[in-house]
Amino acid sequence: KNQVEQSPQSLIILEGKNCTLQCNYTVSPFSNLRWYKQDTGRGPVSLTIMTFSENTKSNGRYTATLDADTKQSSLHITASQLSDSASYICVVSAGFVGNEKLTFGTGTRLTIIP
Amino acid sequence: DVKVTQSSRYLVKRTGEKVFLECVQDMDHENMFWYRQDPGLGLRLIYFSYDVKMKEKGDIPEGYSVSREKKERFSLILESASTNQTSMYLCASRPPGSGYGYTFGSGTRLTVV
Repeated sequence: KNQVEQSPQSLIILEGKNCTLQCNYTVSPFSNLRWYKQDTGRGPVSLTIMTFSENTKSNGRYTATLDADTKQSSLHITASQLSDSASYICVVSAGFVGNEKLTFGTGTRLTIIP
Repeated sequence: DVKVTQSSRYLVKRTGEKVFLECVQDMDHENMFWYRQDPGLGLRLIYFSYDVKMKEKGDIPEGYSVSREKKERFSLILESASTNQTSMYLCASRPPGSGYGYTFGSGTRLTVV
C-alpha cells in the first residue's frame, strides 16, 4: 500500500529561524514528489516538484531535498517569516504517464511566532 | 495567472439534500479532480475526469457523482447529503502528462446538519 508520512505533525518556531520538515514515503513505482503550502481556509499551492534524478530544488527561501534510495524528502525553510505559517503537504506520485496516482501526506502544521 | 474557481467558500446543507459543488478552470486543462480533506486523513480522491463527458472513480466515490459537460467545468454532486460528508472539498486541474503540478481551488467547506 502506498503511504506518505510527514513529521512533525506540528511545529512552532520564532520568526527568522530556520526549520526542516520531513517526508517519508513507500510508493511504487515512484514518479515524482511535490511539496505544497496550504494557508488556512485555502487550497494547496505548489512549492516544488522533484523527479527521481533530482536531489535538491530551491524556490526562494524553500529548499526541498530528495533521497530516492532511502525514500525520504525534506523541506527546509530559511529565515522564516510570519507568512510561512501554513500547512505543508508532501505528495508523492506513483505510476506512469497517463496513469499516475497521488498519495498525500497529512501535512505539517507550521506556526511562526514573532 | 492560472485559476481554479470554486463557486462557494462555505455551504451549510441539511441531511438528505442534493448538493452541487461547482468548479471552473480557465487553463484549458483536460484533467480535473475532486478531493475531500479531513483532519488527520490528508486529501482523498473522490472522482476525476480526463476529458469532457469522461469520469473515473477515485478512492472514495460512494455517495458522490460528477458531471463534466464542458472542458472548463467539473461539478461534484452529493445525491443525498449526510453528516459524514461534512468536509473541505477541493477541486484541482492539471495538464495531461507527468511532471505537471496540480492547481487547486480555494476549497468549499461544506457542513451537513
